[in-house]
Amino acid sequence: DIQMTQSPSSLSASVGDRVTITCQASQDISNRLNWYQQKPGKAPKLLIYDASNLETRVTSRFSGSGSGTDFTFTINSLQPEDIATYYCQKYDSFGPGTKVEIK
Amino acid sequence: EVQLVQSGAEVKKPGEPLKISCKGSGYSFTNFWIGWVRQMPGKGLEWMGIIYPGDSDTSYSPSFQGQVTISADKSITTAYLQWSSLKASDSAMYYCARLKGPTTGSGMDVWGQGTTVTVSS
Repeated sequence: DIQMTQSPSSLSASVGDRVTITCQASQDISNRLNWYQQKPGKAPKLLIYDASNLETRVTSRFSGSGSGTDFTFTINSLQPEDIATYYCQKYDSFGPGTKVEIK
Repeated sequence: EVQLVQSGAEVKKPGEPLKISCKGSGYSFTNFWIGWVRQMPGKGLEWMGIIYPGDSDTSYSPSFQGQVTISADKSITTAYLQWSSLKASDSAMYYCARLKGPTTGSGMDVWGQGTTVTVSS
């Protein structure tokens, strides 16, 4: 069973900062890694699929990279509307999530 | 517009059965996997399982295998998640979501609004 770890579990950053979240798989999952944003009381929203592809109509401030076991999700120039919890996901499991707050 | 519309909130007693639904529209329902995701209060997302409505092929997380049943009726473009005997620990928000690509690892690009299930005596 492939385990997913995600870090940090939470972070606080200033508007305009670059924010990076990492996700690590216990085994090679190629590029089969997706990233989601969830705001309180809302359904999750797909941001990045297959590790680095930006979903349609998602802001280009979001980006993803990586393959194999190590993946990174980046928010360039954090904005107040980016306050949310972010999850990575491989085929059959989600990471534990990263809560992003404004400092 | 592509959308998934889920059935309404449920309040049940322990031991009761339950079936919640997820109706797809605006796309070819039989050609995309549908997944179910649980979110317990204040907690993260849990992948429960997926179904391919075209042939009802299913795959379950080991954590949910035997605890729930995922099914679909392609004639009415609806997927289902059901329990034969609810427990208090089944209280959660349940989301259905469409997988955007043909592989089971594809991202979930369209989500239902969620169905809240409350199980209490």
